[in-house]
Amino acid sequence: GAVVSQHPSRVICKSGTSVKIECRSLDFQATTMFWYRQFPKKSLMLMATSNEGSKATYEQGVEKDKFLINHASLTLSTLTVTSAHPEDSSFYICSANKLVAGGYYEQYFGPGTRLTVT
Amino acid sequence: AQSVTQLDSQVPVFEEAPVELRCNYSSSVSVYLFWYVQYPNQGLQLLLKYLSGSTLVKGINGFEAEFNKSQTSFHLRKPSVHISDTAEYFCAVPGTGGTSYGKLTFGQGTILTVHP
Repeated sequence: GAVVSQHPSRVICKSGTSVKIECRSLDFQATTMFWYRQFPKKSLMLMATSNEGSKATYEQGVEKDKFLINHASLTLSTLTVTSAHPEDSSFYICSANKLVAGGYYEQYFGPGTRLTVT
Repeated sequence: AQSVTQLDSQVPVFEEAPVELRCNYSSSVSVYLFWYVQYPNQGLQLLLKYLSGSTLVKGINGFEAEFNKSQTSFHLRKPSVHISDTAEYFCAVPGTGGTSYGKLTFGQGTILTVHP
């Protein structure tokens, strides 16, 4: 199998505080993980590529100082939303690359984290 | 840059009826195409993928898709839908610089609603 978990599934925080979301590949190692953001009734927007042991690569328009990404091990990437504001409220989804037969990678998605900033 | 366009934002259909969700792609390089399904408040699950070979791809839950190079399409079909198929469906291609299916670029999504 290829299971990716996210924790927490839901979080409510006050404006100005920071929130950490964890993404874990439970039964495989992932050198690369991705963080997406999904607005209501919208598609997924790639925020950043998380690389184990190196700095994340952020997409254009995503503030790297606001969305801190740490990929400290081959099974864990974290996204920290710093000084959260109501406009950061969204559904955050991570995915992890798994090497499959044929020598290519397939993405497996976590269940998502619903962040609400009050 | 590769991109995909999903032509229908919403598709309502009655149970046991056939359904087709449309996806067109734009690419000047080798084409890899994916369909994902997202149930409410959940992550994405891979339905099927086209990498090479047979243009008719069969996936999970009775879905299939056909890669049509001349029409640059990769439409998703199911001959008889169930209530449980109600979800949002996304077509996707590898993003720019995405080697080995790294980043994905998603279409806008199609909400399939199956009515009893």
